[in-house]
Amino acid sequence: NAGVTQTPKFQVLKTGQSMTLQCAQDMNHEYMSWYRQDPGMGLRLIHYSVGAGITDQGEVPNGYNVSRSTTEDFPLRLLSAAPSQTSVYFCASSQGRYNEQFFGPGTRLTVL
Amino acid sequence: AQRVTQPEKLLSVFKGAPVELKCNYSYSGSPELFWYVQYSRQRLQLLLRHISRESIKGFTADLNKGETSFHLKKPFAQEEDSAMYYCALRGGANNLFFGTGTRLTVIP
Repeated sequence: NAGVTQTPKFQVLKTGQSMTLQCAQDMNHEYMSWYRQDPGMGLRLIHYSVGAGITDQGEVPNGYNVSRSTTEDFPLRLLSAAPSQTSVYFCASSQGRYNEQFFGPGTRLTVL
Repeated sequence: AQRVTQPEKLLSVFKGAPVELKCNYSYSGSPELFWYVQYSRQRLQLLLRHISRESIKGFTADLNKGETSFHLKKPFAQEEDSAMYYCALRGGANNLFFGTGTRLTVIP
């Protein structure tokens, strides 16, 4: 099993550009989530999904969209990138909300 | 509202010395707390959870509801314990809320 995979590993965007961060898991996990990690802030939940077709907002959802058309994939879309979205983004999955979360390797995003 | 506080950003101890990473929380319900660890160039991973009451890699953590704390302890630090440690709380909507993390350095 590859576990949780994220692409790309690094990305540089200009303000106003849009892009999609990819996240996939091969463990048949129902629950998936996206976090951003900022210096001095820890990890903050952006969006999460409890299963295919179901998504909900986390702590810091503004400026991001998600969808969950399959169990395996949970892409995160930046609609119009802003410098404040410069961060490291982590995707995680678990069998259920109450189970151990497995994290991806992260995507380092810089918005100029 | 829920909050997790890790007061130390950096902590250095000598090899063989005891180590304690502090975590305090604020939550109105019944808390479920975790410690996650991120070793250099590795993914964030679960170290332990309070409901398991287990010792992982020599680390233990006891939930103290009176002091709203969940400090991580190890009696004898090892060099391989050097890492970033995050305390997390399962709060409202059953999602995880993380503290800001403590970087532990074990000096040989």
